[in-house]
Amino acid sequence: DTEVTQTPKHLVMGMTNKKSLKCEQHMGHRAMYWYKQKAKKPPELMFVYSYEKLSINESVPSRFSPECPNSSLLNLHLHALQPEDSALYLCASSQGARVNQPQHFGDGTRLSIL
Amino acid sequence: AQTVTQSQPEMSVQEAETVTLSCTYDTSESDYYLFWYKQPPSRQMILVIRQEAYKQQNATENRFSVNFQKAAKSFSLKISDSQLGDAAMYFCAYRSENTGTASKLTFGTGTRLQVTL
Repeated sequence: DTEVTQTPKHLVMGMTNKKSLKCEQHMGHRAMYWYKQKAKKPPELMFVYSYEKLSINESVPSRFSPECPNSSLLNLHLHALQPEDSALYLCASSQGARVNQPQHFGDGTRLSIL
Repeated sequence: AQTVTQSQPEMSVQEAETVTLSCTYDTSESDYYLFWYKQPPSRQMILVIRQEAYKQQNATENRFSVNFQKAAKSFSLKISDSQLGDAAMYFCAYRSENTGTASKLTFGTGTRLQVTL
């Protein structure tokens, strides 16, 4: 069982819909991450939150909006997505953002844009 | 910028045999961490093993060990006594000591490992 829980597991949405992905961890980690992974490709970093503050935004389009309401929870709000945004979205957390603290990943949300 | 290269898109190994997955990287930094992650069809990325660049001793975790050659910028993963459950996509990853980018994992393109009976 993963210690990082992502919901939903699968999401199908139209280009005009608004939806949110949720990620939760109860390990006391203070850094949380969103990655996007296309089929047969490595994960690509989207956002990093450290102590509930956005520390890295990898030039992600504004149709993706992250939110970290508290240290255990990370959301990714989706609006007006494009078909090319269909991918596996992975959440990860680590004790801190320091290099020697490994990231623990969730199972991901498989997103399909119609 | 750092790059990570995995030159083997696919590998196959028989059960109980040993296989080595290769990884090379390019960096101008002297302090960093290297990781191997495993991603089975269940999709979760699982940390297999990690290596601190300042340590000369190769990391080992049960059946998994690495051959870290800092001068050659090489970081290969050896899986001994392969099991069916080892079948997965394996990603090599680099993480900088630079506090400005320490959060960022740079992944290689992955090697898909098949384990046959």
